[in-house]
Amino acid sequence: GNSVTQMEGPVTLSEEAFLTINCTYTATGYPSLFWYVQYPGEGLQLLLKATKADDKGSNKGFEATYRKETTSFHLEKGSVQVSDSAVYFCALRVENNAGNMLTFGGGTRLMVKP
Amino acid sequence: NAGVTQTPKFRVLKTGQSMTLLCAQDMNHEYMYWYRQDPGMGLRLIHYSVGEGTTAKGEVPDGYNVSRLKKQNFLLGLESAAPSQTSVYFCASRTPFPTGARETQYFGPGTRLLVL
Repeated sequence: GNSVTQMEGPVTLSEEAFLTINCTYTATGYPSLFWYVQYPGEGLQLLLKATKADDKGSNKGFEATYRKETTSFHLEKGSVQVSDSAVYFCALRVENNAGNMLTFGGGTRLMVKP
Repeated sequence: NAGVTQTPKFRVLKTGQSMTLLCAQDMNHEYMYWYRQDPGMGLRLIHYSVGEGTTAKGEVPDGYNVSRLKKQNFLLGLESAAPSQTSVYFCASRTPFPTGARETQYFGPGTRLLVL
């Protein structure tokens, strides 16, 4: 089956620190990979995506590279801000699955201190 | 556009009571989803719908029923609530052919449910 594993949080960083949140996956077929972000009290929003091996998704200073050889999609940001405090979810979607369903990881809470 | 809305925002139930959660979207999306979010477990799919009048089971469907009588609405029902159903419930919608900017599910703000 399909599954996504993320590092457990919370991750606590000082402002301007470097961020890495690890994500690895197992999938049948060739998945597309996603990072979603959930700010306090809100629903999830798409942060970035990659649809094939070696693709790099990027948005708002965040980046993640689709690594097929290590089945990973780690999220990185060079300098975090307090406003980046949120829960981050890694997810995958295998093409041609009924309903275009996403499989989510457990989420990683990021707390950025001033 | 309001996007995806959910009602109610918060509800407390006693064990055995029933209730219906309403999800509405104004983006003319075909696909709609109900998830539950529990600490450390991410989002798990309960049921989904690929169009008006259709529903299908997701990963954790037991104890829930759904209906999609209108394209814009997707209802989640709990016939006899149990404490294990204490969770935050999210609804989402999307187009059936995800490419480019449409490559995302749009999520509602969530419904927090406490079953005593």
